[in-house]
This record gives sequence, C-alpha cells and structure tokens, in this order.
Amino acid sequence: GENVEQHPSTLSVQEGDSAVIKCTYSDSASNYFPWYKQELGKRPQLIIDIRSNVGEKKDQRIAVTLNKTAKHFSLHITETQPEDSAVYFCAASRPTGGGNKLTFGTGTQLKVEL
Amino acid sequence: SQTIHQWPATLVQPVGSPLSLECTVEGTSNPNLYWYRQAAGRGLQLLFYSVGIGQISSEVPQNLSASRPQDRQFILSSKKLLLSDSGFYLCAWSVRGAGTSTQHFGDGTRLSIL
Repeated sequence: GENVEQHPSTLSVQEGDSAVIKCTYSDSASNYFPWYKQELGKRPQLIIDIRSNVGEKKDQRIAVTLNKTAKHFSLHITETQPEDSAVYFCAASRPTGGGNKLTFGTGTQLKVEL
Repeated sequence: SQTIHQWPATLVQPVGSPLSLECTVEGTSNPNLYWYRQAAGRGLQLLFYSVGIGQISSEVPQNLSASRPQDRQFILSSKKLLLSDSGFYLCAWSVRGAGTSTQHFGDGTRLSIL
C-alpha cells in the first residue's frame, strides 16, 4: 500500500518568513495530493491540492510543488501570519473502484511566532 | 451546498460498552463516505470507506464495524469498546466516480474510553 512520509514534525518560523513542509510517497500510481490544515480540536480543512498532471499550483500565499519522478511534493507558505499556526497534513491518493483512499502523512505542527 | 453532520460531538464511554456514531451528508447524491480515526497528536488513519449502500471496505482489522443503510448515512459501531478505541473520529465524503476527488470532513466525534 501507499506510504507517505512528512517532514518536519514541528516547524517554528518568525512572522513574515516562509515555511516549507515536505512529503514523499511510495506508490507511483498516486495521482492526487491534497494538503489539509487542522486547528486544535477542529476538523481538517483542505487548503490546496495538486494532481499529477501539474507540477506546481499557487493560491495567494500558498503553493504546492510536485516532483513525480522523485515522488515528493511540498507545501510552501510565504509571508506567514500567526493565524497560519496549525497542524498541516499532506496526503496521497489513487483512484480505486469508484472511490479514492487518502493516505496521510503524520503531520507538521507549524508555529508562527510574533 | 453540501454539508456533513456528525454526532455526537463528544462521547465518554466505559470499556466494554457498545458504540454508535452517525454521519449524514446533505446536498449531494451517491457520495463516497469514509471513517477516519485520529489518535491524540497523530495523523489520520482510514478505517472504512463506502462507495454505495451496503458496500463497506475495511482498511484496518479491529473491533469496529461500519454500515451504510442509506445513501447519505454512514454509521460506525462497536459491540465492545476497548481503551485503545479512544480518539477523534472523523467522517468524510467525496464525489463518487470522479477519479480522485477532494474529501470533505465533518466536525468529528471525540471519544474517550474510561
């Protein structure tokens, strides 16, 4: 099955700096890579996703890059703000019989310090 | 718009007692449905997914079971809870038949076993 590794497990940055979170996956058939943000006690919320036919996607301060050959993808947050503090999860998925099963990374606790 | 409801929000149960968590989706038909568990400070583990009424796929052997009695209803059950069943249980839905599609999470049920 799919295995997703995520690094770092914790990340502290100063407000205004950039943050980068990296993930690797094992299944070369995976073709969908979402990123979720989870605030304490809340549900995960999708912040950006990328499909395997695209190498990069950007949405305001958030961008995701995908390297299919190396089987890794990264989340980039620029001009970080205190409200960006949360746990971020990457995931990988491939279509299976009408559904798609996400395999999640172990999460990165991002802390943006004033 | 689509919404997903989970209840109860929190639950405290003694070891050996039964469990029933319910999830319903509104505003969409024929969704794929998923149950995840998140242990404290950990990532999300897929427990079950369903692509249709009565169709359940189990990902992890355990003392939990899932049922889908109606198109937009997904139930997680146990006959006898273990201490290790404590965690944050999340239901999610996605569009069926769209290859890989975004999964949207409910607000979750925080289950504590005493």
